Amino acid sequence: GAVVSQHPSWVICKSGTSVKIECRSLDFQATTMFWYRQFPKQSLMLMATSNEGSKATYEQGVEKDKFLINHASLTLSTLTVTSAHPEDSSFYICSAREGSRQDGYTFGSGTRLTVV
Amino acid sequence: SQELEQSPQSLIVQEGKNLTINCTSSKTLYGLYWYKQKYGEGLIFLMMLQKGGEEKSHEKITAKLDEKKQQSSLHITASQPSHAGIYLCGADDGSFGNEKLTFGTGTRLTIIP
Repeated sequence: GAVVSQHPSWVICKSGTSVKIECRSLDFQATTMFWYRQFPKQSLMLMATSNEGSKATYEQGVEKDKFLINHASLTLSTLTVTSAHPEDSSFYICSAREGSRQDGYTFGSGTRLTVV
Repeated sequence: SQELEQSPQSLIVQEGKNLTINCTSSKTLYGLYWYKQKYGEGLIFLMMLQKGGEEKSHEKITAKLDEKKQQSSLHITASQPSHAGIYLCGADDGSFGNEKLTFGTGTRLTIIP
């Protein structure tokens, strides 16, 4: 089945620095990938839709300049958290869909970001 | 935007018992997805429902979509410790080529011996 690889699985960074998270579709091409954020004991919140070769579409309330998304190829999307602050600490997870809707969306294993 | 409400928010069930989780949408559902998540990990796809009245089963898990396509239920029969986790329902907004998947509030399932 479809596999989405996400790296790193966890990262600790200092306030003010930037962190890049990678999301790769390993055995399929994904023109669209999705980035979610999850707070402890809460559901997933869609942050943005990453489109290959074009600008990402951000959900309302998500800062574009804070969360930079780049989808440079059909198998790779990156999320960069710029000038990170402790409130950006969260679990970030990406997903992509290989086939039809009935096949579901495949999710990466997530990245736990801790900003100190 | 489409809102999904899940109930209950948390559930503690004795091993071997049956349970049901509900997902209600504020709008008609185009596609309804059920996922399971171990906290802090990725999501495991369970099944997707699209047609009114549709029902699907996988092992001991059965999901149904009502005729009006605004409510879905997930039923687990003879629960096991391996069923513990967070269950999430997700809705596809129905657009073609520009779709996105949003999630409900989640249900945390605990199985006790």
